[in-house]
Amino acid sequence: AQSVTQLGSHVSVSEGALVLLRCNYSSSVPPYLFWYVQYPNQGLQLLLKYTTGATLVKGINGFEAEFKKSETSFHLTKPSAHMSDAAEYFCAYGGSQGNLIFGKGTKLSVKP
Amino acid sequence: NAGVTQTPKFQVLKTGQSMTLQCAQDMNHEYMSWYRQDPGMGLRLIHYSVGAGITDQGEVPNGYNVSRSTTEDFPLRLLSAAPSQTSVYFCASSYSDASLDTQYFGPGTRLTVL
Repeated sequence: AQSVTQLGSHVSVSEGALVLLRCNYSSSVPPYLFWYVQYPNQGLQLLLKYTTGATLVKGINGFEAEFKKSETSFHLTKPSAHMSDAAEYFCAYGGSQGNLIFGKGTKLSVKP
Repeated sequence: NAGVTQTPKFQVLKTGQSMTLQCAQDMNHEYMSWYRQDPGMGLRLIHYSVGAGITDQGEVPNGYNVSRSTTEDFPLRLLSAAPSQTSVYFCASSYSDASLDTQYFGPGTRLTVL
């Protein structure tokens, strides 16, 4: 069965530090992969998505993710964290039934 | 464009009561979905629709009904609320296949069932 695993339910970084949020997927077919962000008391919004082509995907707010087929990973990074990045981040996989399969989420805290 | 709107924002029900969560979008999207979000569980798909008149079940459909009579609206009905349905509910829409295309989410409805 297709699934998405996000390593770490909580990640805490200092302002200005590297942000690394991990996502691994399990599938035997090429995936469509997404990262969504949820700010407190809001709905989700798309950060970036991988469909085909370039494996390094750039998104909004300075985030990027690299698709690594050999590692079945799609980790999200940002070189320098900002206080406004504090939110919950969800990795999602485009399922075969025309829907999204979400990971359980990683809550990012940014310390001043 | 208002995007995806949901009403109400908050609701408290007693066990056994029924209610309808409203969802509307003004982007002429064919695909619409309902998710529930529970702590530590991520988002789980309840029902989805690929166009007016067409609906299908997702991962956790029990206790919920949907219909899609227009492109714009996709209401979610709880026929007999149970405490296990206490959750935050999100409606989402996309122009094409939700597994390929960007989904646009509403602000959510926080439901408590006592």
